[in-house]
Amino acid sequence: DSGVTQTPKHLITATGQRVTLRCSPRSGDLSVYWYQQSLDQGLQFLIQYYNGEERAKGNILERFSAQQFPDLHSELNLSSLELGDSALYFCASSVVETRSAYNEQFFGPGTRLTVL
Amino acid sequence: GDSVTQMEGPVTLSEEAFLTINCTYTATGYPSLFWYVQYPGEGLQLLLKATKADDKGSNKGFEATYRKETTSFHLEKGSVQVSDSAVYFCALGSYKLIFGSGTRLLVRP
Repeated sequence: DSGVTQTPKHLITATGQRVTLRCSPRSGDLSVYWYQQSLDQGLQFLIQYYNGEERAKGNILERFSAQQFPDLHSELNLSSLELGDSALYFCASSVVETRSAYNEQFFGPGTRLTVL
Repeated sequence: GDSVTQMEGPVTLSEEAFLTINCTYTATGYPSLFWYVQYPGEGLQLLLKATKADDKGSNKGFEATYRKETTSFHLEKGSVQVSDSAVYFCALGSYKLIFGSGTRLLVRP
């Protein structure tokens, strides 16, 4: 158990809909990262927050957004869903801030999103 | 940009065989290197890490050495077990993690 929790575990929805994925980082971790794991794209970094502020962006679509709240939990919002958005979405957390040379991230169990 | 290349899987071995999973990287600067493991139906777990050249990371019998001259971080284990069957990801990171495509390992009794 990494200490990172994600809800829900599974999510099934239809094209065009909007969903919210939730992540609670390990106690004491200020950085939260979101990754997408799909069969065709592999594991890709989406976005990072540190102590409530966006710090780094990866291959995140404009239809996707995220935020980190004062209690440090984070939410990833996916809208206008397409079939290709079906994937496993992981949240990870770490103590350090961005651009640190040593960045050990601890991953949650993931949310499996299926878009029908 | 930075990237990680892993050997294609699946890798199928008999129990107690020697394991090597190759990983090479391209990066500017001096990133840390990681191996993560994903067991069926589970999230990613950090297996081992190395933060600078010539560092050797080790855990649960797995080892990998950060080789700057060959830009490699190959994963090795002297004697695999059935319980090692999983997908292994090589990654590099300074802030975000960049993952390889993953290598599925299947260990047969």
